[in-house]
Amino acid sequence: AQKVTQAQTEISVVEKEDVTLDCVYETRDTTYYLFWYKQPPSGELVFLIRRNSFDEQNEISGRYSWNFQKSTSSFNFTITASQVVDSAVYFCALSGGTGNQFYFGTGTSLTVIP
Amino acid sequence: EAGVAQSPRYKIIEKRQSVAFWCNPISGHATLYWYQQILGQGPKLLIQFQNNGVVDDSQLPKDRFSAERLKGVDSTLKIQPAKLEDSAVYLCASSFGARGFGETQYFGPGTRLLVL
Repeated sequence: AQKVTQAQTEISVVEKEDVTLDCVYETRDTTYYLFWYKQPPSGELVFLIRRNSFDEQNEISGRYSWNFQKSTSSFNFTITASQVVDSAVYFCALSGGTGNQFYFGTGTSLTVIP
Repeated sequence: EAGVAQSPRYKIIEKRQSVAFWCNPISGHATLYWYQQILGQGPKLLIQFQNNGVVDDSQLPKDRFSAERLKGVDSTLKIQPAKLEDSAVYLCASSFGARGFGETQYFGPGTRLLVL
């Protein structure tokens, strides 16, 4: 069974603080993909990153960075020097098996306070 | 490049009425998905099309929900009759390849449905 857990329901930080969003996944597949999406108040899910199970290299993109650790089945997302525009709900998703069904976590609502 | 288009953006209906949502995927994308997102939850897949064939509809409540993707391009999702618990955001997504697995899905703005 595929499952994604985002234990943090809501997080509030003051602007310029760093914040880490946690994602823990479960799968029996050896090949799978992990994703992060941002959902601003407008509702559209915006793609942030895709990572396959064979690539454990961490990635940095501007103020965003991702830490993938297979040993702990985690794919955490860090925003450095947060900004008000980062306020949104962030979803972690898992794609495994033979199709491309995404299994989403319940999301973490991030509020950045000016 | 234009993104995934959906209409309408908002819809309010009474229970037992019918409603239809439309989605036009990114040009050239072979695979199209419909998700239901209930408030406070992550999106849940309803149906996946590969070109104009159904790949996965195991979570589609087929007694009231139906979907089609004629000609392998745009798609329509219908609910008939609607129930109160169908109140949700209906998201359409598309991905490029026919294989599908592991591909990034690009989402539309969604249709917010309220059933009274």
